Amino acid sequence: AQSVAQPEDQVNVAEGNPLTVKCTYSVSGNPYLFWYVQYPNRGLQFLLKYITGDNLVKGSYGFEAEFNKSQTSFHLKKPSALVSDSALYFCAVSLDNTGKLIFGQGTTLQVKP
Amino acid sequence: EAGVVQSPRYKIIEKKQPVAFWCNPISGHNTLYWYLQNLGQGPELLIRYENEEAVDDSQLPKDRFSAERLKGVDSTLKIQPAELGDSAVYLCASSLDARDEQFFGPGTRLTVL
Repeated sequence: AQSVAQPEDQVNVAEGNPLTVKCTYSVSGNPYLFWYVQYPNRGLQFLLKYITGDNLVKGSYGFEAEFNKSQTSFHLKKPSALVSDSALYFCAVSLDNTGKLIFGQGTTLQVKP
Repeated sequence: EAGVVQSPRYKIIEKKQPVAFWCNPISGHNTLYWYLQNLGQGPELLIRYENEEAVDDSQLPKDRFSAERLKGVDSTLKIQPAELGDSAVYLCASSLDARDEQFFGPGTRLTVL
């Protein structure tokens, strides 16, 4: 069965420091991997996706993610965190072209000034 | 470009009452999704439409939940009768097709008393 794990409930970083939000996945075929961000009382916003090709994917708001097939990971990164990046981040996986997203439990990112 | 529109944003009802949620996807998006998001968790797919056809409703509790997308554009999700455990946020999303990123609406927060 497909699954996604976000091992950290919360990540705390200082503004200006690099950030990493971790995600590992388990699928039996070719994964489509996504990151979404959710601000309070709002829907999810798409950040980036990996389908095929270059393992380093660049997305919105300066975020990027690295696909690592051997470690089955898709960690979200940003070189320099902003206070406005504070939000709830979700990793998700779908199998090939099914469109059925399986979401992780979410990681709260807190960026302090 | 307008995003995914959902109404109402908030709904409070008593248990055993019926409730309905409406969603208008992004223009031109053939695929429409309804998700349920419980507090502190990632969204869970309830049903996915390709145009008018429900292609994945395996997670929809069919004894009380129903959905329709009659003309392949907007969609309605209904619960009858509502139970206390149905209190959650109901999210609608759309995409060009099943392989593309999904765009989410703001959600409807349902409280069942």
